[in-house]
Amino acid sequence: EEQLVESGGDLVQPGGSLRLSCAASGFTFSSYWMSWVRQGPGRGLEWVANIKEDGSEIHYVDSVKGRFTISRDNAKNSLYLHMNGLRVEDTAVYYCTSHQLEIGTCWGQGTLVTVSS
Amino acid sequence: QSVLTQPPSASGTPGQRVTISCSGSNSNIGNNFISWYQQLPGTAPKLLIYRNDQRPSGIPDRFSGSKSGVSASLAISGLRSEDEADYYCVSWDDSLSGYVFGTGTEVTAL
Repeated sequence: EEQLVESGGDLVQPGGSLRLSCAASGFTFSSYWMSWVRQGPGRGLEWVANIKEDGSEIHYVDSVKGRFTISRDNAKNSLYLHMNGLRVEDTAVYYCTSHQLEIGTCWGQGTLVTVSS
Repeated sequence: QSVLTQPPSASGTPGQRVTISCSGSNSNIGNNFISWYQQLPGTAPKLLIYRNDQRPSGIPDRFSGSKSGVSASLAISGLRSEDEADYYCVSWDDSLSGYVFGTGTEVTAL
């Protein structure tokens, strides 16, 4: 069974940092693009970043460029999101998602990031 | 900021056909595939349609997708109470070099 499990969400002060992790199982992780998608409280879905199978191509939404870094470790079947300079507006549930058929083929349960003083 | 526009809500009685629209531009829907997701309350989204009109394994044929020009639609035939959820479209945007989601549509079975 294809599965994604996120971890690392927490309460952090504005300007702080956090690293999210996503553990993949049940499929060949190294063969697919991966993305992070977030959903603010009571809001819609927002794509955050994606990374190619071998990490050679990466894209970010403008609002996180220069602050967030997506990375992956294919040997560990893991995806990461390093978040620096966190803002109140970054408060959201962050989902890890895979691209077997298209973005969002498989989703994790999400991890909550709260940015507040 | 969403660049794909969806109606905020849609409804129908059980058994009816409900259609949700998704409007974009040449840089996204007009030049790329569109996908659709269902998000039940308190859960992660689930892929319903990919590559405009393809259903993943396990998705009933009550759900169908289409695309024409810079717009796309998701149709739910034979609406059921368990279809009450939020629905989102998504497409790659060549100008932004990123994915853009629709604003989301809440579907209610009356």
